[in-house]
Parts: sequence; structure tokens; C-alpha cells
Amino acid sequence: EAGVTQSPTHLIKTRGQQATLRCSPISGHTSVYWYQQALGLGLQFLLWYDEGEERNRGNFPPRFSGRQFPNYSSELNVNALELEDSALYLCASSLMISGRGWSNQPQHFGDGTRLSIL
Amino acid sequence: EDKVVQSPLSLVVHEGDTVTLNCSYEVTNFRSLLWYKQEKKAPTFLFMLTSSGIEKKSGRLSSILDKKELSSILNITATQTGDSAIYLCAVEGVISSGSARQLTFGSGTQLTVLP
Repeated sequence: EAGVTQSPTHLIKTRGQQATLRCSPISGHTSVYWYQQALGLGLQFLLWYDEGEERNRGNFPPRFSGRQFPNYSSELNVNALELEDSALYLCASSLMISGRGWSNQPQHFGDGTRLSIL
Repeated sequence: EDKVVQSPLSLVVHEGDTVTLNCSYEVTNFRSLLWYKQEKKAPTFLFMLTSSGIEKKSGRLSSILDKKELSSILNITATQTGDSAIYLCAVEGVISSGSARQLTFGSGTQLTVLP
């Protein structure tokens, strides 16, 4: 079974540009989560999508946005890039039991996209 | 605001030693606590502990949840060099809208196992 896949592996941008990161969840998983792991900091929750809708977002500015497609893959968009956006962006997926807002199913992570802002 | 604190921040041991990693938390409406192992890239899922499953074991690794003390430990016995990694603790709580699925992570424990 294929795991969570993310692309690209590395992305180099300059300040003010826009970045798009992509994630394909494990087959059968409907929920996708995005996290930022900056150097020296822990994983910070960014966004959660389930069944095509944004369910929750972390304490990040609106220039961090995303979407989930009908095939449950997801994009994370970061506009007006700043130097402090340099980080490893991790995507995770999980099963979501229908009719419940939560499920006792762990999140499984991809290898991440390393975003570097010059 | 949910909070997860791990200790120690780093640990250096020799092969064969037993280690205990600690995780304490403050979370609104606790649902589950998860342990992950992160080597170079993707955190790899180890255990999920909930009110209905407070103790888990897999090979040399085991974990216990203490809901009264709001903490968990991860034990690794007979450590090997391949156990060298960052071990992350995360807690899932119910957010204000009534749904969960937001993990709050600790800063991790860097374990180094020397041959």
C-alpha cells in the first residue's frame, strides 16, 4: 500500500513569491492535514481538510491556504512568501469514520516538502 | 491553549540500555495521545493511546497513558543504534466546533544510541 506522497521534495522561492505544495493521501483516507516544522520548532498544525471541506486551521495568517480535491488529494498554497516560511511542510492523512467528527485512527505522514525562501 | 511538554530534550545511551521518554499534556477534552518516531523525514506512527487503551506494546517498545497525571511514557528496552531518532508525542483534543483531529505536538526527545 502506497503511503502519503508529497511533491515537490524541495522548493526554492524568493520573498514575495507564491508556493504550491501537493499531497496525495493513503488510498481510502479522506482526511488530509498540513503541518509546518520550522528549524528548532515542533510540528505546528496548519490546516485540516475532510471530504473536500476545510474543517479547522491553526494560528497561521490567511496567506496560508489550501484545498482538497474530489480524489482527496490536497494543495497547500503560501502567498507573499516571507523568510520565516522556510520550513519542512508535512502532510498527513487518516481515516475518518462517517458521521463522527473524530475517529481513533492515527495520522500517517508523508516525507514532506522542504521550502526554502531566499 | 493545548500544550505538550516532552522530557528530556535529548538523551545519549549505549546499545542495550533501557530508556524512558516522558510526555505531559494540557488539552481541552482529551481524545488520544500518539507517539511518533522521526528519523530524517516522515514521522512514523508508533502508538495511539486512548481512554480505552492506556497501554500498548510492540516488540521492545511500550507506552503507558496516565490520564490522572495527564502524562505518558515511552519505554524502549535493549536499545539499538537504529532506535536513534527524534521521538514525538502528540495529543488530540476536541476543538470548539465539536470535532477533533487537531494534533498538538511536543518538541520531541532526541535519542542517540551509541554502539
